[in-house]
Amino acid sequence: NAGVTQTPKFQVLKTGQSMTLQCAQDMNHEYMSWYRQDPGMGLRLIHYSVGAGITDQGEVPNGYNVSRSTTEDFPLRLLSAAPSQTSVYFCASSGPSRGTYGYTFGSGTRLTVV
Amino acid sequence: AQKVTQAQTEISVVEKEDVTLDCVYETRDTTYYLFWYKQPPSGELVFLIRRNSFDEQNEISGRYSWNFQKSTSSFNFTITASQVVDSAVYFCALSEETSGSRLTFGEGTQLTVNP
Repeated sequence: NAGVTQTPKFQVLKTGQSMTLQCAQDMNHEYMSWYRQDPGMGLRLIHYSVGAGITDQGEVPNGYNVSRSTTEDFPLRLLSAAPSQTSVYFCASSGPSRGTYGYTFGSGTRLTVV
Repeated sequence: AQKVTQAQTEISVVEKEDVTLDCVYETRDTTYYLFWYKQPPSGELVFLIRRNSFDEQNEISGRYSWNFQKSTSSFNFTITASQVVDSAVYFCALSEETSGSRLTFGEGTQLTVNP
């Protein structure tokens, strides 16, 4: 009954390094998505998926890649980290009808790029 | 394209005051979903309510109430008798039926409740 699990919770990267933020859900949700939250800007959509094998770009996709090989997992890859990618990242999942409780969010990953 | 506007960036009230957080949305879909989330200082996103476009009934849950008006494209949130624990950032969000899993957030309203 974990919901949406994001790892790691905190990460510091050097400019140019790559890494993968992990997101897993155990609710058999078809919809999954990644958001970044910057101060004063709310949450902005990076990439999203409506099912295994299907992904699409959101509002701010540059510098990020995703794949959806299983229903449960939706990892977010930073190809070459830049200071502008310093942010808090949230993963979310839901069913097609958005469920009684809407989108379920992970606890977030706080990423700092130096 | 879907859009959510929360015009109030910050609101400060004294405990026990009532406060209303405004949310205005734009969508071309006839079927869509509206949400409110709370983000306390600890940072997690806490689900408060989901409303679909065919359900215009207002909702009350304890000290919280929501007023959904399609005629004005608004989905406002009222906290009655506010408490210090209500201090948080509140986000309104919209998802269109045809947009897949896209969820568009407003920029949030920082609510501070002072003792």
